[in-house]
Amino acid sequence: EAQVTQNPRYLITVTGKKLTVTCSQNMNHEYMSWYRQDPGLGLRQIYYSMNVEVTDKGDVPEGYKVSRKEKRNFPLILESPSPNQTSLYFCASSLLGTGERGYTFGSGTRLTVV
Amino acid sequence: DAKTTQPTSMDCAEGRAANLPCNHSTISGNEYVYWYRQIHSQGPQYIIHGLKNNETNEMASLIITEDRKSSTLILPHATLRDTAVYYCIVRVGRGAGNNRKLIWGLGTSLAVNP
Repeated sequence: EAQVTQNPRYLITVTGKKLTVTCSQNMNHEYMSWYRQDPGLGLRQIYYSMNVEVTDKGDVPEGYKVSRKEKRNFPLILESPSPNQTSLYFCASSLLGTGERGYTFGSGTRLTVV
Repeated sequence: DAKTTQPTSMDCAEGRAANLPCNHSTISGNEYVYWYRQIHSQGPQYIIHGLKNNETNEMASLIITEDRKSSTLILPHATLRDTAVYYCIVRVGRGAGNNRKLIWGLGTSLAVNP
């Protein structure tokens, strides 16, 4: 089944403890992106990647890092999480070019930083 | 990317057509209209997209006005499982080098009632 898989689904952590949220897609998509969703603010882009080793900042990149060493994986790294990073996170992927339709989203990761 | 305006909420009777409007009066000539939906904090799901012509797929129909300043998503026979938040988004579509960022509003919360 074509899908984007995020792990974990739920995570509670303490301020300052480094964590990684994994994202993997099995559709050979070039484009991948991370969003966060907060009440009243909608989804906002954190980082995106056009292909392997090509990443760039979105609208709210502060406090986050990403890497794209393989086409299928796009982990989101929080080096020193803070309570304002408590949010619902989504990874998404899509084809580029003429095969493009829309994004395929993962099921989300609900992160709580205390 | 152009911004969109949608009603905050709508109701629909089960089995009837749900017509969700969207205004995008500042849309540019190369911007597509995309529709996604999100069921209760799950990952958003792509529904349909279009540029100028009306589009139909297995999920819905998209009607775009001739001046492209507004569109309507039609769910022909709404079911209880169509209860969700529906997002109308406009953005540049194809083209190498484009960040596929979607600018999300708060969408329309559609309640399908028995």
